Amino acid sequence: ETGVTQSPTHLIKTRGQQVTLRCSSQSGHNTVSWYQQALGQGPQFIFQYYREEENGRGNFPPRFSGLQFPNYSSELNVNALELDDSALYLCASKDRVDTVRGSNQPQHFGDGTRLSIL
Amino acid sequence: KQEVTQIPAALSVPEGENLVLNCSFTDSAIYNLQWFRQDPGKGLTSLLLIQSSQREQTSGRLNASLDKSSGRSTLYIAASQPGDSATYLCCTGANNLFFGTGTRLTVIP
Repeated sequence: ETGVTQSPTHLIKTRGQQVTLRCSSQSGHNTVSWYQQALGQGPQFIFQYYREEENGRGNFPPRFSGLQFPNYSSELNVNALELDDSALYLCASKDRVDTVRGSNQPQHFGDGTRLSIL
Repeated sequence: KQEVTQIPAALSVPEGENLVLNCSFTDSAIYNLQWFRQDPGKGLTSLLLIQSSQREQTSGRLNASLDKSSGRSTLYIAASQPGDSATYLCCTGANNLFFGTGTRLTVIP
Protein backbone atom coordinates (compact mmCIF):
# COMPACT_ATOMS: atom_id res chain seq x y z
CA GLU A 1 0.00 0.00 0.00
CA THR A 2 1.48 3.34 -1.08
CA GLY A 3 1.19 6.14 1.45
CA VAL A 4 0.63 9.84 0.88
CA THR A 5 3.47 11.41 -1.10
CA GLN A 6 4.17 15.10 -1.50
CA SER A 7 6.48 17.04 -3.80
CA PRO A 8 8.73 18.89 -3.64
CA THR A 9 10.11 18.33 -0.13
CA HIS A 10 11.60 21.80 0.10
CA LEU A 11 11.01 25.00 -1.84
CA ILE A 12 12.37 28.56 -1.62
CA LYS A 13 10.43 31.43 -3.18
CA THR A 14 10.41 35.21 -2.96
CA ARG A 15 7.55 37.51 -2.05
CA GLY A 16 5.00 37.98 -4.81
CA GLN A 17 5.80 34.73 -6.59
CA GLN A 18 3.40 31.85 -7.14
CA VAL A 19 3.89 28.23 -6.05
CA THR A 20 2.28 24.85 -6.76
CA LEU A 21 2.58 21.97 -4.33
CA ARG A 22 1.60 18.42 -5.25
CA CYS A 23 0.12 15.50 -3.36
CA SER A 24 -0.61 11.88 -4.31
CA SER A 25 -3.19 10.34 -2.03
CA GLN A 26 -2.90 6.94 -0.45
CA SER A 27 -4.23 4.12 -2.61
CA GLY A 28 -8.01 3.82 -2.30
CA HIS A 29 -8.46 7.25 -0.72
CA ASN A 30 -10.84 9.68 -2.45
CA THR A 31 -10.61 12.71 -0.16
CA VAL A 32 -7.64 15.04 0.13
CA SER A 33 -7.08 17.84 2.66
CA TRP A 34 -4.37 20.47 2.88
CA TYR A 35 -2.98 21.97 6.09
CA GLN A 36 -0.51 24.75 6.87
CA GLN A 37 1.78 24.29 9.87
CA ALA A 38 3.78 27.30 11.02
CA LEU A 39 6.82 26.69 13.21
CA GLY A 40 5.83 25.64 16.72
CA GLN A 41 2.13 25.51 15.89
CA GLY A 42 -0.41 22.83 15.13
CA PRO A 43 -1.58 22.35 11.54
CA GLN A 44 -4.31 24.69 10.31
CA PHE A 45 -6.95 23.44 7.84
CA ILE A 46 -6.79 25.11 4.42
CA PHE A 47 -9.36 23.13 2.42
CA GLN A 48 -10.55 19.68 1.43
CA TYR A 49 -11.37 18.12 -1.92
CA TYR A 50 -13.75 15.25 -2.59
CA ARG A 51 -14.58 14.03 -6.10
CA GLU A 52 -12.74 16.98 -7.61
CA GLU A 53 -14.89 19.54 -5.75
CA GLU A 54 -13.91 21.75 -2.82
CA ASN A 55 -15.65 20.30 0.24
CA GLY A 56 -14.89 22.77 3.00
CA ARG A 57 -12.44 25.61 3.51
CA GLY A 58 -10.65 27.10 6.47
CA ASN A 59 -9.85 30.74 7.17
CA PHE A 60 -7.45 31.27 4.26
CA PRO A 61 -7.67 33.98 1.56
CA PRO A 62 -8.64 33.21 -2.06
CA ARG A 63 -5.02 33.32 -3.19
CA PHE A 64 -4.86 29.80 -1.72
CA SER A 65 -6.54 27.55 -4.26
CA GLY A 66 -6.55 23.88 -5.10
CA LEU A 67 -7.40 21.15 -7.52
CA GLN A 68 -8.18 17.47 -7.31
CA PHE A 69 -7.72 15.21 -10.31
CA PRO A 70 -9.68 12.10 -11.38
CA ASN A 71 -6.95 9.88 -9.86
CA TYR A 72 -7.56 11.73 -6.54
CA SER A 73 -4.16 13.44 -6.56
CA SER A 74 -4.22 17.11 -5.67
CA GLU A 75 -2.45 20.46 -6.04
CA LEU A 76 -2.25 23.44 -3.73
CA ASN A 77 -1.59 26.76 -5.46
CA VAL A 78 -0.61 29.92 -3.63
CA ASN A 79 -0.43 33.25 -5.47
CA ALA A 80 1.23 36.51 -4.41
CA LEU A 81 3.37 34.81 -1.76
CA GLU A 82 3.88 36.63 1.53
CA LEU A 83 6.54 36.14 4.20
CA ASP A 84 3.91 34.65 6.55
CA ASP A 85 3.27 31.87 4.03
CA SER A 86 6.55 30.28 5.16
CA ALA A 87 5.46 26.98 6.71
CA LEU A 88 5.25 23.22 6.36
CA TYR A 89 2.36 22.34 4.04
CA LEU A 90 0.81 18.98 4.78
CA CYS A 91 -1.46 16.89 2.63
CA ALA A 92 -3.75 14.26 4.12
CA SER A 93 -5.97 11.69 2.46
CA LYS A 94 -8.73 9.43 3.64
CA ASP A 95 -11.49 7.21 2.38
CA ARG A 96 -14.62 9.19 2.97
CA VAL A 97 -17.50 7.08 4.24
CA ASP A 98 -21.15 7.91 4.44
CA THR A 99 -21.74 9.56 7.82
CA VAL A 100 -25.05 7.68 8.01
CA ARG A 101 -22.95 4.59 8.62
CA GLY A 102 -21.70 6.32 11.71
CA SER A 103 -17.99 5.90 11.22
CA ASN A 104 -15.23 8.28 10.31
CA GLN A 105 -12.00 7.20 8.75
CA PRO A 106 -8.67 8.58 10.00
CA GLN A 107 -6.66 10.93 7.84
CA HIS A 108 -3.21 9.82 6.70
CA PHE A 109 -0.57 12.51 6.28
CA GLY A 110 2.38 12.93 3.96
CA ASP A 111 5.79 14.26 5.05
CA GLY A 112 4.94 17.75 3.82
CA THR A 113 6.57 20.45 1.72
CA ARG A 114 8.71 22.99 3.55
CA LEU A 115 8.09 26.36 1.89
CA SER A 116 10.39 29.27 2.69
CA ILE A 117 9.62 32.80 1.49
CA LEU A 118 12.51 35.26 1.27
CA LYS B 1 -15.39 26.95 16.67
CA GLN B 2 -13.59 23.99 18.22
CA GLU B 3 -10.48 24.87 20.24
CA VAL B 4 -7.95 22.24 21.25
CA THR B 5 -5.39 22.76 24.01
CA GLN B 6 -2.47 20.55 24.98
CA ILE B 7 -0.67 20.59 28.29
CA PRO B 8 2.23 20.60 28.95
CA ALA B 9 3.89 22.27 25.97
CA ALA B 10 7.12 20.43 26.69
CA LEU B 11 8.10 17.49 28.89
CA SER B 12 11.42 15.82 29.72
CA VAL B 13 11.49 12.45 31.46
CA PRO B 14 14.14 9.80 32.16
CA GLU B 15 13.98 6.59 30.18
CA GLY B 16 11.62 3.98 31.58
CA GLU B 17 9.19 6.41 33.16
CA ASN B 18 5.44 6.22 32.51
CA LEU B 19 3.90 9.51 31.38
CA VAL B 20 0.61 11.16 30.50
CA LEU B 21 -0.04 13.82 27.87
CA ASN B 22 -3.20 15.88 28.11
CA CYS B 23 -5.56 17.23 25.47
CA SER B 24 -8.71 19.28 26.03
CA PHE B 25 -11.35 20.48 23.58
CA THR B 26 -14.16 23.01 23.91
CA ASP B 27 -16.96 21.41 21.87
CA SER B 28 -17.92 17.95 23.17
CA ALA B 29 -19.92 17.11 20.02
CA ILE B 30 -17.01 15.38 18.34
CA TYR B 31 -16.78 12.60 15.75
CA ASN B 32 -13.50 11.26 17.03
CA LEU B 33 -10.22 12.16 18.70
CA GLN B 34 -6.91 11.33 17.09
CA TRP B 35 -3.35 11.37 18.41
CA PHE B 36 -0.40 11.92 16.10
CA ARG B 37 3.35 11.87 16.47
CA GLN B 38 5.56 14.33 14.60
CA ASP B 39 9.33 14.06 14.35
CA PRO B 40 11.27 17.27 13.61
CA GLY B 41 10.72 18.48 10.05
CA LYS B 42 8.50 15.52 9.25
CA GLY B 43 4.83 14.83 8.65
CA LEU B 44 2.31 13.35 11.05
CA THR B 45 2.18 9.68 11.99
CA SER B 46 -1.19 8.49 13.29
CA LEU B 47 -0.92 6.73 16.66
CA LEU B 48 -4.47 6.16 17.85
CA LEU B 49 -7.99 7.11 16.76
CA ILE B 50 -10.86 7.01 19.24
CA GLN B 51 -14.35 7.13 17.77
CA SER B 52 -16.90 9.22 19.65
CA SER B 53 -18.67 6.06 20.87
CA GLN B 54 -15.47 4.63 22.37
CA ARG B 55 -13.75 5.38 25.68
CA GLU B 56 -10.21 4.27 24.88
CA GLN B 57 -7.84 2.71 22.38
CA THR B 58 -4.59 0.82 22.95
CA SER B 59 -1.61 0.11 20.74
CA GLY B 60 1.44 -1.47 22.30
CA ARG B 61 2.78 0.84 25.02
CA LEU B 62 0.27 3.56 24.11
CA ASN B 63 -3.19 4.01 25.57
CA ALA B 64 -5.50 6.89 24.72
CA SER B 65 -8.68 7.67 26.61
CA LEU B 66 -11.59 9.94 25.74
CA ASP B 67 -14.05 11.65 28.08
CA LYS B 68 -16.42 13.70 25.93
CA SER B 69 -18.43 15.06 28.85
CA SER B 70 -15.38 16.77 30.31
CA GLY B 71 -13.83 17.57 26.93
CA ARG B 72 -10.61 15.69 27.63
CA SER B 73 -8.36 13.04 26.21
CA THR B 74 -5.15 11.61 27.60
CA LEU B 75 -2.33 9.72 25.94
CA TYR B 76 -0.54 7.35 28.30
CA ILE B 77 2.93 6.12 27.32
CA ALA B 78 4.30 3.23 29.34
CA ALA B 79 7.99 2.53 29.90
CA SER B 80 9.18 5.48 27.80
CA GLN B 81 12.15 5.06 25.46
CA PRO B 82 14.49 7.61 23.81
CA GLY B 83 12.85 6.73 20.48
CA ASP B 84 9.58 8.15 21.85
CA SER B 85 11.11 11.65 21.72
CA ALA B 86 8.92 13.68 19.37
CA THR B 87 6.04 16.16 19.36
CA TYR B 88 2.65 14.64 20.10
CA LEU B 89 -0.43 16.29 18.62
CA CYS B 90 -4.07 15.65 19.34
CA CYS B 91 -6.89 16.69 17.03
CA THR B 92 -10.58 16.30 16.50
CA GLY B 93 -12.95 16.87 13.62
CA ALA B 94 -14.58 15.16 10.68
CA ASN B 95 -13.40 16.83 7.51
CA ASN B 96 -11.73 19.84 9.10
CA LEU B 97 -9.30 18.70 11.80
CA PHE B 98 -8.67 21.04 14.72
CA PHE B 99 -5.21 20.52 16.24
CA GLY B 100 -3.60 21.49 19.50
CA THR B 101 -0.13 23.02 19.45
CA GLY B 102 1.41 19.79 20.67
CA THR B 103 3.54 18.50 23.54
CA ARG B 104 7.27 18.20 22.81
CA LEU B 105 8.50 15.07 24.59
CA THR B 106 12.16 14.35 25.33
CA VAL B 107 13.07 10.98 26.84
CA ILE B 108 16.54 11.11 28.38
CA PRO B 109 18.63 7.91 28.16
